[in-house]
Amino acid sequence: GEDVEQSLFLSVREGDSSVINCTYTDSSSTYLYWYKQEPGAGLQLLTYIFSNMDMKQDQRLTVLLNKKDKHLSLRIADTQTGDSAIYFCAETELNTGFQKLVFGTGTRLLVSP
Amino acid sequence: GAVVSQHPSWVICKSGTSVKIECRSLDFQATTMFWYRQFPKQSLMLMATSNEGSKATYEQGVEKDKFLINHASLTLSTLTVTSAHPEDSSFYICSATRTEAFFGQGTRLTVV
Repeated sequence: GEDVEQSLFLSVREGDSSVINCTYTDSSSTYLYWYKQEPGAGLQLLTYIFSNMDMKQDQRLTVLLNKKDKHLSLRIADTQTGDSAIYFCAETELNTGFQKLVFGTGTRLLVSP
Repeated sequence: GAVVSQHPSWVICKSGTSVKIECRSLDFQATTMFWYRQFPKQSLMLMATSNEGSKATYEQGVEKDKFLINHASLTLSTLTVTSAHPEDSSFYICSATRTEAFFGQGTRLTVV
């Protein structure tokens, strides 16, 4: 089955850039997503990228996709303490109507002042 | 954007009782909703796909009789944890998809 992996933990100082990495195994993935989860809350979609794209930028967020290596990253510029949360990458496929999401293990981002 | 509301946000129940969790799409119709389970400090595990007007599709290893799913209308899916035990304690999250997946705020279930 599909497998999506992330590093478990990242700690940065306020104002620095954060880079959260994700690898996946399913070559048929078409949409790849980044979600943010704050403590005790649901998931908030941050951004997504279609698998025929290499990069997508949205304000402080930059998503890079290396389809050959099946590697996805999320860069947060000028990281703030409010960015502290768990970040999940997720992938979905055409054959599920782009509806069934497979989540990564999650990366806990801690931003210190 | 679209809103998915989940209720209750948290619930404590005694072992052996049943608990119902509701997932509503507030401003759009969702023929398909998804139920996930999240253990502490772990990722989300898809439990089942809830289909309006038909039976839910369960992932491998998820007990159908334990986790009853009903999707009676285009805006409401319910998950009932039957005869709950402490090992069922977890964070349950639903999602509904329109152009993207929208998630409920989650329900923290504690079985004592």
